[in-house]
Amino acid sequence: ETGVTQSPTHLIKTRGQQVTLRCSSQSGHNTVSWYQQALGQGPQFIFQYYREEENGRGNFPPRFSGLQFPNYSSELNVNALELDDSALYLCASSSPGGTKNIQYFGAGTRLSVL
Amino acid sequence: GDSVTQMEGPVTLSEEAFLTINCTYTATGYPSLFWYVQYPGEGLQLLLKATKADDKGSNKGFEATYRKETTSFHLEKGSVQVSDSAVYFCALSPGGTSYGKLTFGQGTILTVHP
Repeated sequence: ETGVTQSPTHLIKTRGQQVTLRCSSQSGHNTVSWYQQALGQGPQFIFQYYREEENGRGNFPPRFSGLQFPNYSSELNVNALELDDSALYLCASSSPGGTKNIQYFGAGTRLSVL
Repeated sequence: GDSVTQMEGPVTLSEEAFLTINCTYTATGYPSLFWYVQYPGEGLQLLLKATKADDKGSNKGFEATYRKETTSFHLEKGSVQVSDSAVYFCALSPGGTSYGKLTFGQGTILTVHP
């Protein structure tokens, strides 16, 4: 177990709605990254937060936004949901220092958009 | 941009068979390379990593060598077990300020029969 927790585990929304997913990083980790994993595909990088600031973004539209809090937990917000947003959303945290390249993943939130 | 290509199609083996899953990458600079494993209904677990050319990562009988001349990081195991059945993802992380922003391959489903 990595110590990265995500909530909720499953979520069902309808097209056009908004959703917030939450992630608690592993103790001592100040960097959180979010990934979208469509069914049968590899995860795709959405964005990363480092010390409460966005630190890089993948090829996702602005309706995907995020926050990181002083305790380094994080939220992923998606507005105006589309059917293609149905996926497993993974959060990963990492620590500063020599092991900063290692990402520790949570179990994910399964989002279904109907 | 960066990309990772894994061998296509699921892999089905009998217990104690030899496993190879091919992975090649395209990246600028000197990325770190990873293999992650995903068991059904779970998030990603780091299996092994290598941070520079000719490094060999190993864990739980799995091995992979960072080959810069062939831009490859093939995963091998000498004798697979039923419990190794999972989806395996090859990934890279760029160096410098882009650490932790993983690019994944599409994944390879491994099924091991008794």
